[in-house]
Amino acid sequence: IAGITQAPTSQILAAGRRMTLRCTQDMRHNAMYWYRQDLGLGLRLIHYSNTAGTTGKGEVPDGYSVSRANTDDFPLTLASAVPSQTSVYFCASSALAGEHNEQFFGPGTRLTVL
Amino acid sequence: GESVGLHLPTLSVQEGDNSIINCAYSNSASDYFIWYKQESGKGPQFIIDIRSNMDKRQGQRVTVLLNKTVKHLSLQIAATQPGDSAVYFCAEPRRYSSASKIIFGSGTRLSIRP
Repeated sequence: IAGITQAPTSQILAAGRRMTLRCTQDMRHNAMYWYRQDLGLGLRLIHYSNTAGTTGKGEVPDGYSVSRANTDDFPLTLASAVPSQTSVYFCASSALAGEHNEQFFGPGTRLTVL
Repeated sequence: GESVGLHLPTLSVQEGDNSIINCAYSNSASDYFIWYKQESGKGPQFIIDIRSNMDKRQGQRVTVLLNKTVKHLSLQIAATQPGDSAVYFCAEPRRYSSASKIIFGSGTRLSIRP
């Protein structure tokens, strides 16, 4: 059982390019999340999905979009990358939405935008 | 806004000794906390959680103590091992719109002296 996988592990990207970060979970969790982790700012929620077919905006959604076509996959797309999007991105999932459900985190994608 | 997870940034302990990592929070209404461990290059990993109706909870080699009077949590690791080297976060899940997000503190980096 892999849990949550993310791809790529790391990426260097030119500003203005489009990029999709992939996230897949095999736990049949309903809820999934994307966070970015920046030094001194902790983890900030970008987008979330409570169940397949629904998505919602987090604290820092600008410049990012997500889709949730099925239960397992929750890709994050940067339509036109900018240097301020340089960060480590973590995907997470929980069995159900709601604050009393444990969130499991993937290994992260380190993205550098030049 | 009210904060969670005010940590000392670093802690160094001798291998085999017990480690105590402290965390302060400011919201007296907080009712659920989680400790996460994040090793270099990996995502946060759930260690143990505690609800506000408890003062203490024990896991394998770890104990979390909650003092609601002074709004303080601690994570105790018994017989610290090299594999315990990581950044430890106390975190609080909070409702966010129709979902939830994890509020992470700044973390404490635990290093082990041989």
